[in-house]
Amino acid sequence: KQEVTQIPAALSVPEGENLVLNCSFTDSAIYNLQWFRQDPGKGLTSLLLIQSSQREQTSGRLNASLDKSSGRSTLYIAASQPGDSATYLCAVVWSPGGTSYGKLTFGQGTILTVHP
Amino acid sequence: KAGVTQTPRYLIKTRGQQVTLSCSPISGHRSVSWYQQTPGQGLQFLFEYFSETQRNKGNFPGRFSGRQFSNSRSEMNVSTLELGDSALYLCASSYGQGNTEAFFGQGTRLTVV
Repeated sequence: KQEVTQIPAALSVPEGENLVLNCSFTDSAIYNLQWFRQDPGKGLTSLLLIQSSQREQTSGRLNASLDKSSGRSTLYIAASQPGDSATYLCAVVWSPGGTSYGKLTFGQGTILTVHP
Repeated sequence: KAGVTQTPRYLIKTRGQQVTLSCSPISGHRSVSWYQQTPGQGLQFLFEYFSETQRNKGNFPGRFSGRQFSNSRSEMNVSTLELGDSALYLCASSYGQGNTEAFFGQGTRLTVV
């Protein structure tokens, strides 16, 4: 069964700390992996998309890596700020035969709190 | 460039009624997918439409249905509502081929009483 797991479920850090969120997936035949952020009661905001042929992507203070062989992705947030407080979700599109386009399988998310 | 628009934002319905939710994708996107988000189950895939055809379907009962129009706008319908259908319903749009980066709307909060 194709599943996505995120650890930890919750994380609380002081402002300014660098942190890593983890995402693991059970099947290495992925098409891409996408990281999202969700604020309470709101929709999802796309942070980074990593195609299966890529090893990492960067946007500002965010860096996401992908290791298909080990079934893992990490989201690195540098110099965290209170405004980074949100739920972070990773989602995988698998591509057995190319029929999984548009179907995202999500992890349960990591609730991040950055306190001043 | 306008984002994904979902209407209405909030709905309160009674058990047994039916409801229709709407999603307008980003201009040029041909894929629209729908997700149900609940505190207990997280985000679960309902179905995906591409160029008016359902391309993928999740494990939900037949009470959940959808369609996509020629302008890529999509609607989702839930018939015979149950209390357990209370959730945040999110839709996402993407180009659907090649670049499949998904962009989400703000969601429709459905409460069934």
